[in-house]
Amino acid sequence: GQSLEQPSEVTAVEGAIVQINCTYQTSGFYGLSWYQQHDGGAPTFLSYNALDGLEETGRFSSFLSRSDSYGYLLLQELQMKDSASYFCAVRDNYGQNFVFGPGTRLSVLP
Amino acid sequence: DSGVTQTPKHLITATGQRVTLRCSPRSGDLSVYWYQQSLDQGLQFLIQYYNGEERAKGNILERFSAQQFPDLHSELNLSSLELGDSALYFCASSTGPTSTDTQYFGPGTRLTVL
Repeated sequence: GQSLEQPSEVTAVEGAIVQINCTYQTSGFYGLSWYQQHDGGAPTFLSYNALDGLEETGRFSSFLSRSDSYGYLLLQELQMKDSASYFCAVRDNYGQNFVFGPGTRLSVLP
Repeated sequence: DSGVTQTPKHLITATGQRVTLRCSPRSGDLSVYWYQQSLDQGLQFLIQYYNGEERAKGNILERFSAQQFPDLHSELNLSSLELGDSALYFCASSTGPTSTDTQYFGPGTRLTVL
């Protein structure tokens, strides 16, 4: 089967750096995506890694290690508006199924 | 605003009934995805259509069906509704058919089955 694991909650203060980890077990692998979802809102795409290494987009970076079946989302210079749930997702079964992790709830404190 | 529209925003119905959820993708996007989000199951991929054809299938129940029309809007039909079908249903769209394409999510339809 397929499964993804993420920490359920993370708390950090404004201006800090936080890392949200994701480990996955899937049959076939077509890249790791990250989504942000504010309470009551829709998920919004943050990043996608198909190859090993770090992808940087502004304050957010995402990392993938396919050999370790592991990735992380790094959020820098945290702002209050970053308080949200963050989901990792993979496409497996040779492109037939998207699987989302359970989500990590990030709370940014003043 | 992602450019993806979903109607209705809220839907309240009874067990055993059938409902249709509608999604209009962003202008120019050919792929439409349907997701179900509930408290106990998280975000679950249901099905993807690309340019009118079924592209990928996830954990979609047999009681559920979808289609994408020539104008690229999509409908998700849920029948013989059960209490457990109460959830947020999201539609997303992307330009192409693959996982490298960014998906843009609509605001969702909240379905309550009583």
